Amino acid sequence: AQSVAQPEDQVNVAEGNPLTVKCTYSVSGNPYLFWYVQYPNRGLQFLLKYITGDNLVKGSYGFEAEFNKSQTSFHLKKPSALVSDSALYFCAVRDISSASKIIFGSGTRLSIRP
Amino acid sequence: NAGVTQTPKFRILKIGQSMTLQCAQDMNHNYMYWYRQDPGMGLKLIYYSVGAGITDKGEVPNGYNVSRSTTEDFPLRLELAAPSQTSVYFCASRLPGQGAADTQYFGPGTRLTVL
Repeated sequence: AQSVAQPEDQVNVAEGNPLTVKCTYSVSGNPYLFWYVQYPNRGLQFLLKYITGDNLVKGSYGFEAEFNKSQTSFHLKKPSALVSDSALYFCAVRDISSASKIIFGSGTRLSIRP
Repeated sequence: NAGVTQTPKFRILKIGQSMTLQCAQDMNHNYMYWYRQDPGMGLKLIYYSVGAGITDKGEVPNGYNVSRSTTEDFPLRLELAAPSQTSVYFCASRLPGQGAADTQYFGPGTRLTVL
């Protein structure tokens, strides 16, 4: 069965520093991978996705993610963190048994200190 | 566009009570979803629908029911509320097809407590 794992419950970064939020996947075949962000008391918002093509995917709010097939990873990155980036981040993968559904990871709370 | 709207925002139920969580979208999306989010956990899919009149179970459907009589609305029904159903419930929708694949639009959520 396909799945995504987010090994860190929480990531703490100082404002202005680069940030990385980790995600690894387990999928048979080519994965369709996604990142969503959830700000406090809000629903999830789509950030970016990898379907095929360039391994570096650019998304909203200056975020990007790098698809690495050999390491089965899809880490979310940003060169310079902002306090406003503090939120809960979810990695997700399309369910290959049903293209209608995606499977979410457990989430990583990103905290940016001023 | 209002996007995806959910009502109510908050609700406290007693064990055994029933209620319906409302979800509506005005984007003409065929696909709609109900998730629950428990503290420290990701989202679990309860039910989903690929169009009016078509619904299917997700990962955690027990204790819930849905209907999809129109494209716009996808209500979630709890028949006999239990403390295990205390959670935040999110509705989402998207367009069909690979071009729009998996970019789901989420509502603001309903926080439900069962005591």
